Amino acid sequence: GDSVTQMEGPVTLSEEAFLTINCTYTATGYPSLFWYVQYPGEGLQLLLKATKADDKGSNKGFEATYRKETTSFHLEKGSVQVSDSAVYFCALSDQNTDKLIFGTGTRLQVFP
Amino acid sequence: GAGVSQSPSNKVTEKGKDVELRCDPISGHTALYWYRQSLGQGLEFLIYFQGNSAPDKSGLPSDRFSAERTGGSVSTLTIQRTQQEDSAVYLCASNSPGGRNTGELFFGEGSRLTVL
Repeated sequence: GDSVTQMEGPVTLSEEAFLTINCTYTATGYPSLFWYVQYPGEGLQLLLKATKADDKGSNKGFEATYRKETTSFHLEKGSVQVSDSAVYFCALSDQNTDKLIFGTGTRLQVFP
Repeated sequence: GAGVSQSPSNKVTEKGKDVELRCDPISGHTALYWYRQSLGQGLEFLIYFQGNSAPDKSGLPSDRFSAERTGGSVSTLTIQRTQQEDSAVYLCASNSPGGRNTGELFFGEGSRLTVL
């Protein structure tokens, strides 16, 4: 079945460092891909998405490019802030049922 | 309401008791999902509703778990004879305003269940 694999955390960075969180997927067909974020004490919310190959999703300085050839959707940010500390989830949509399949999440901790 | 509302936010119960968790989705959203978030396990899909029907209930872990949705709105997830391994945060999400799937799920803050 469809699945998502993302790098284990925690990822610990200093403020203004470059961030990469790796995500790869296995799917039949051409799913849409998502990054969701869960800030401390809050519910999950959509960070960005891409619906077809080579699309780049971006929001709040974060970017991810849908790479069909490597089945990847890595999350990047050029300069992280303390306020980016959160758990980040990569996900894909099941085209048959519209449900999202999530990775296990990666905790990011940014220190001043 | 403005967002997805879940209750209770916290529930502590004894092993063997039944629990009910409630989800009130965003008004007009036709799709409703239940997920379970366990420590270190990510988000595990449980069941999906489109209107009042559940076309995909493949994630329900056992027959102790059931869910229903009435009036195309509120949903209840019931866990019978709770076990300690049921301890987790149960998340509800909704989508598809007016039946149009936008691909974005809107999540509630979850119901934390602790089974002693």
